[in-house]
Amino acid sequence: AQKVTQAQTEISVVEKEDVTLDCVYETRDTTYYLFWYKQPPSGELVFLIRRNSFDEQNEISGRYSWNFQKSTSSFNFTITASQVVDSAVYFCALIRTGANSKLTFGKGITLSVRP
Amino acid sequence: DTEVTQTPKHLVMGMTNKKSLKCEQHMGHRAMYWYKQKAKKPPELMFVYSYEKLSINESVPSRFSPECPNSSLLNLHLHALQPEDSALYLCASSQDITLAGAQYFGPGTRLLVL
Repeated sequence: AQKVTQAQTEISVVEKEDVTLDCVYETRDTTYYLFWYKQPPSGELVFLIRRNSFDEQNEISGRYSWNFQKSTSSFNFTITASQVVDSAVYFCALIRTGANSKLTFGKGITLSVRP
Repeated sequence: DTEVTQTPKHLVMGMTNKKSLKCEQHMGHRAMYWYKQKAKKPPELMFVYSYEKLSINESVPSRFSPECPNSSLLNLHLHALQPEDSALYLCASSQDITLAGAQYFGPGTRLLVL
Protein backbone atom coordinates (compact mmCIF):
# COMPACT_ATOMS: atom_id res chain seq x y z
CA ALA A 1 0.00 0.00 0.00
CA GLN A 2 1.17 3.49 -0.75
CA LYS A 3 0.71 6.59 1.36
CA VAL A 4 1.58 10.27 0.98
CA THR A 5 1.57 12.52 4.02
CA GLN A 6 1.49 16.28 3.84
CA ALA A 7 1.46 17.18 7.50
CA GLN A 8 1.11 20.91 6.94
CA THR A 9 -2.48 21.81 6.09
CA GLU A 10 -2.29 25.59 5.76
CA ILE A 11 0.67 27.93 5.47
CA SER A 12 0.52 31.70 5.33
CA VAL A 13 3.53 33.83 4.40
CA VAL A 14 4.21 37.38 3.38
CA GLU A 15 5.34 38.04 -0.16
CA LYS A 16 9.08 37.53 -0.77
CA GLU A 17 9.42 35.02 2.05
CA ASP A 18 10.77 31.57 1.26
CA VAL A 19 8.46 28.68 2.08
CA THR A 20 8.97 24.90 2.15
CA LEU A 21 6.15 22.44 1.65
CA ASP A 22 6.82 19.02 3.16
CA CYS A 23 5.95 15.65 1.66
CA VAL A 24 6.66 12.24 3.19
CA TYR A 25 5.72 9.03 1.44
CA GLU A 26 5.48 5.30 2.10
CA THR A 27 5.80 2.57 -0.51
CA ARG A 28 7.14 -0.97 -0.76
CA ASP A 29 7.99 -0.56 -4.44
CA THR A 30 11.57 0.04 -5.51
CA THR A 31 10.54 1.85 -8.67
CA TYR A 32 8.13 4.70 -8.27
CA TYR A 33 7.59 8.31 -9.25
CA LEU A 34 6.85 11.37 -7.20
CA PHE A 35 4.97 14.46 -8.33
CA TRP A 36 3.96 17.90 -7.22
CA TYR A 37 0.84 19.58 -8.54
CA LYS A 38 -0.47 23.11 -7.99
CA GLN A 39 -4.19 23.83 -7.83
CA PRO A 40 -5.04 27.54 -7.93
CA PRO A 41 -8.55 28.73 -7.05
CA SER A 42 -9.61 28.26 -10.68
CA GLY A 43 -9.51 24.51 -10.06
CA GLU A 44 -7.13 23.12 -12.66
CA LEU A 45 -4.32 20.91 -11.35
CA VAL A 46 -1.06 22.13 -12.84
CA PHE A 47 1.77 19.63 -13.15
CA LEU A 48 5.01 20.96 -11.63
CA ILE A 49 7.50 18.11 -11.44
CA ARG A 50 7.96 14.35 -11.83
CA ARG A 51 10.88 12.59 -10.17
CA ASN A 52 11.77 8.89 -10.33
CA SER A 53 12.95 6.90 -7.34
CA PHE A 54 16.46 6.42 -8.72
CA ASP A 55 17.20 10.08 -9.25
CA GLU A 56 17.97 11.86 -5.99
CA GLN A 57 19.41 14.96 -7.56
CA ASN A 58 17.79 18.13 -6.38
CA GLU A 59 16.07 20.16 -9.03
CA ILE A 60 15.66 23.89 -9.46
CA SER A 61 13.27 25.61 -11.82
CA GLY A 62 13.23 29.36 -11.40
CA ARG A 63 11.95 30.14 -7.92
CA TYR A 64 10.96 26.50 -7.36
CA SER A 65 13.27 23.81 -6.01
CA TRP A 66 12.73 20.25 -4.91
CA ASN A 67 14.69 18.15 -2.44
CA PHE A 68 14.30 14.38 -2.78
CA GLN A 69 15.77 12.31 0.05
CA LYS A 70 15.18 8.61 -0.25
CA SER A 71 16.72 7.94 3.18
CA THR A 72 13.91 9.87 4.83
CA SER A 73 11.25 9.15 2.18
CA SER A 74 10.74 12.84 1.65
CA PHE A 75 10.21 15.01 -1.39
CA ASN A 76 10.03 18.60 -0.22
CA PHE A 77 9.21 21.65 -2.31
CA THR A 78 10.62 25.12 -1.69
CA ILE A 79 9.37 28.35 -3.19
CA THR A 80 11.92 31.14 -2.99
CA ALA A 81 10.79 34.75 -2.81
CA SER A 82 7.12 33.81 -2.80
CA GLN A 83 4.59 35.83 -4.77
CA VAL A 84 0.84 36.32 -4.43
CA VAL A 85 0.36 34.19 -7.57
CA ASP A 86 1.85 31.25 -5.68
CA SER A 87 -1.29 31.13 -3.53
CA ALA A 88 -2.85 27.73 -4.22
CA VAL A 89 -3.29 24.22 -2.90
CA TYR A 90 -0.24 22.07 -3.51
CA PHE A 91 -0.50 18.30 -3.78
CA CYS A 92 2.30 15.79 -3.54
CA ALA A 93 1.58 12.45 -5.23
CA LEU A 94 3.14 9.03 -5.74
CA ILE A 95 2.68 6.32 -8.36
CA ARG A 96 4.37 3.02 -9.09
CA THR A 97 5.05 1.72 -12.58
CA GLY A 98 2.96 -0.96 -14.22
CA ALA A 99 -0.57 -1.50 -15.37
CA ASN A 100 -3.41 -0.44 -13.14
CA SER A 101 -1.16 1.84 -11.12
CA LYS A 102 -2.90 4.87 -9.64
CA LEU A 103 -1.76 8.22 -8.35
CA THR A 104 -1.85 8.43 -4.57
CA PHE A 105 -2.30 12.03 -3.49
CA GLY A 106 -1.51 13.67 -0.20
CA LYS A 107 -4.23 15.76 1.39
CA GLY A 108 -2.76 18.98 0.04
CA ILE A 109 -1.28 22.13 1.56
CA THR A 110 -3.09 25.45 1.21
CA LEU A 111 -0.51 28.20 0.72
CA SER A 112 -1.57 31.81 1.13
CA VAL A 113 0.90 34.50 0.14
CA ARG A 114 -0.07 37.93 1.47
CA PRO A 115 1.10 41.13 -0.22
CA ASP B 1 0.71 21.72 -26.40
CA THR B 2 -0.01 20.29 -22.98
CA GLU B 3 -3.69 21.11 -22.90
CA VAL B 4 -6.72 19.17 -21.83
CA THR B 5 -10.05 20.86 -22.40
CA GLN B 6 -13.31 20.17 -20.59
CA THR B 7 -16.87 21.28 -21.23
CA PRO B 8 -18.97 22.62 -19.69
CA LYS B 9 -17.16 24.61 -17.03
CA HIS B 10 -20.22 24.69 -14.81
CA LEU B 11 -23.29 22.46 -14.75
CA VAL B 12 -26.41 22.55 -12.62
CA MET B 13 -28.74 19.59 -12.91
CA GLY B 14 -31.72 18.09 -11.19
CA MET B 15 -31.74 14.56 -9.88
CA THR B 16 -33.82 13.33 -12.83
CA ASN B 17 -31.73 14.96 -15.57
CA LYS B 18 -29.33 13.32 -17.97
CA LYS B 19 -26.23 15.25 -18.87
CA SER B 20 -22.73 14.59 -20.20
CA LEU B 21 -19.30 15.95 -19.42
CA LYS B 22 -16.79 16.12 -22.23
CA CYS B 23 -13.01 16.03 -22.27
CA GLU B 24 -10.56 16.35 -25.14
CA GLN B 25 -6.79 16.13 -25.50
CA HIS B 26 -4.54 16.42 -28.55
CA MET B 27 -1.24 15.34 -27.04
CA GLY B 28 -1.39 11.84 -28.49
CA HIS B 29 -1.84 10.41 -25.02
CA ARG B 30 -3.27 6.90 -24.78
CA ALA B 31 -4.47 7.02 -21.17
CA MET B 32 -7.35 9.18 -19.98
CA TYR B 33 -8.81 9.60 -16.52
CA TRP B 34 -11.86 10.90 -14.68
CA TYR B 35 -11.45 12.20 -11.15
CA LYS B 36 -13.95 13.58 -8.66
CA GLN B 37 -12.83 16.23 -6.21
CA LYS B 38 -14.79 17.51 -3.23
CA ALA B 39 -13.89 20.80 -1.59
CA LYS B 40 -10.66 20.77 0.42
CA LYS B 41 -9.92 17.17 -0.56
CA PRO B 42 -7.52 15.60 -3.05
CA PRO B 43 -8.88 14.23 -6.33
CA GLU B 44 -10.37 10.74 -6.20
CA LEU B 45 -9.91 8.46 -9.18
CA MET B 46 -13.11 7.26 -10.84
CA PHE B 47 -12.19 5.68 -14.18
CA VAL B 48 -9.15 5.05 -16.34
CA TYR B 49 -9.15 4.35 -20.06
CA SER B 50 -6.10 2.86 -21.73
CA TYR B 51 -6.01 2.69 -25.51
CA GLU B 52 -9.74 3.47 -25.56
CA LYS B 53 -10.62 0.54 -23.30
CA LEU B 54 -11.83 0.83 -19.72
CA SER B 55 -8.92 -0.24 -17.57
CA ILE B 56 -9.92 0.83 -14.07
CA ASN B 57 -13.35 1.43 -12.53
CA GLU B 58 -13.02 2.42 -8.89
CA SER B 59 -16.40 0.93 -7.95
CA VAL B 60 -18.18 4.03 -9.17
CA PRO B 61 -22.03 3.94 -9.00
CA SER B 62 -23.71 3.12 -12.29
CA ARG B 63 -25.31 6.56 -12.44
CA PHE B 64 -21.88 7.60 -13.79
CA SER B 65 -21.18 6.07 -17.20
CA PRO B 66 -17.87 6.73 -18.95
CA GLU B 67 -17.29 6.54 -22.67
CA CYS B 68 -14.16 6.86 -24.81
CA PRO B 69 -15.27 7.38 -28.45
CA ASN B 70 -11.68 7.74 -29.69
CA SER B 71 -8.18 8.33 -28.41
CA SER B 72 -8.73 12.07 -28.02
CA LEU B 73 -12.15 12.16 -26.41
CA LEU B 74 -13.55 11.09 -23.09
CA ASN B 75 -17.14 11.53 -21.94
CA LEU B 76 -18.84 11.05 -18.61
CA HIS B 77 -22.59 10.47 -18.85
CA LEU B 78 -24.59 11.43 -15.79
CA HIS B 79 -28.04 10.15 -14.90
CA ALA B 80 -30.15 10.27 -11.75
CA LEU B 81 -27.42 11.87 -9.69
CA GLN B 82 -27.68 12.66 -6.00
CA PRO B 83 -26.89 15.97 -4.29
CA GLU B 84 -23.77 14.37 -2.77
CA ASP B 85 -22.42 13.97 -6.30
CA SER B 86 -21.92 17.72 -6.46
CA ALA B 87 -18.18 18.22 -6.94
CA LEU B 88 -15.44 19.29 -9.33
CA TYR B 89 -14.97 16.67 -12.04
CA LEU B 90 -11.49 16.60 -13.49
CA CYS B 91 -10.31 14.90 -16.64
CA ALA B 92 -6.65 14.04 -17.15
CA SER B 93 -4.47 12.34 -19.72
CA SER B 94 -1.04 10.75 -19.75
CA GLN B 95 1.21 9.17 -22.33
CA ASP B 96 0.60 5.57 -21.30
CA ILE B 97 -0.89 3.99 -18.20
CA THR B 98 2.15 1.75 -17.64
CA LEU B 99 4.80 4.46 -17.78
CA ALA B 100 3.80 6.37 -14.64
CA GLY B 101 4.10 9.56 -16.62
CA ALA B 102 2.77 12.93 -15.64
CA GLN B 103 -0.99 13.29 -15.80
CA TYR B 104 -2.13 16.54 -17.35
CA PHE B 105 -5.41 17.84 -16.03
CA GLY B 106 -8.16 19.89 -17.57
CA PRO B 107 -9.80 22.87 -15.83
CA GLY B 108 -12.64 20.73 -14.57
CA THR B 109 -16.42 20.90 -14.57
CA ARG B 110 -18.07 22.22 -11.42
CA LEU B 111 -21.23 20.17 -11.00
CA LEU B 112 -24.11 21.08 -8.73
CA VAL B 113 -26.92 18.57 -8.29
CA LEU B 114 -30.14 20.00 -6.90
